[in-house]
Amino acid sequence: EIVMTQSPATVSVSPGERATLSCRASQSVSSNLAWYQQKPGQAPRLLIYGASTRATGIPARFSASGSGTEFTLTISSLQSEDFAVYYCQHYGNWPPYSFGQGTKLQIK
Amino acid sequence: EVQLVQSGAEVKKPGESLKISCMGSGYSFTNYWIAWVRQMPGKGLEWMGMLYPDDSDTRYSPSFQGQVTISADKSISTAYLQWSSLKASDTAMYYCARGGIGDRRGLFDPWGPGTLVTVSS
Repeated sequence: EIVMTQSPATVSVSPGERATLSCRASQSVSSNLAWYQQKPGQAPRLLIYGASTRATGIPARFSASGSGTEFTLTISSLQSEDFAVYYCQHYGNWPPYSFGQGTKLQIK
Repeated sequence: EVQLVQSGAEVKKPGESLKISCMGSGYSFTNYWIAWVRQMPGKGLEWMGMLYPDDSDTRYSPSFQGQVTISADKSISTAYLQWSSLKASDTAMYYCARGGIGDRRGLFDPWGPGTLVTVSS
């Protein structure tokens, strides 16, 4: 089973600044990597798939990169609505499809 | 609009059985995998398993194999997650999510709003 590890667990950033979140896979997942955003009391929402492609309706301030085992999600110029928990997930090949433990992005 | 509608919150006692549902609309229900994801209070997301409604092909996470049953009734575009004997540790929010097609079967979008299951004596 592929293990996904996110860092840091919590990051504090001021509105208007940039946030960078990391995700590492225990073995290569190629570009089969997704990022989800979960706000309190809400279901997760797909942000990024294919390691770097924004899902429909996701603002351009969200960008992502990486392949193989190392991935990054960057949110430039943070807005108040961006403070949430972010999860990475691999979806290549057959299951199990594991998620990272999440990174909480909080206001500094 | 693609939408997943889940059944309402449940409060059960240990040992009781339960079946929660997830109805898909706005797309061809039989042609997309449906996954179930658990989120325990204050914790992260755990993939439980998924089912392909057209032929009921079902895959489970090793962590949940034998603990739950995933099924579907394609005639009413509804997937189910059921327990035969609940434990207090089953207390969690349960989300269903639509998987993608082909190699993207494990890519989940959209998600249902979740069903909160509380198991307490």
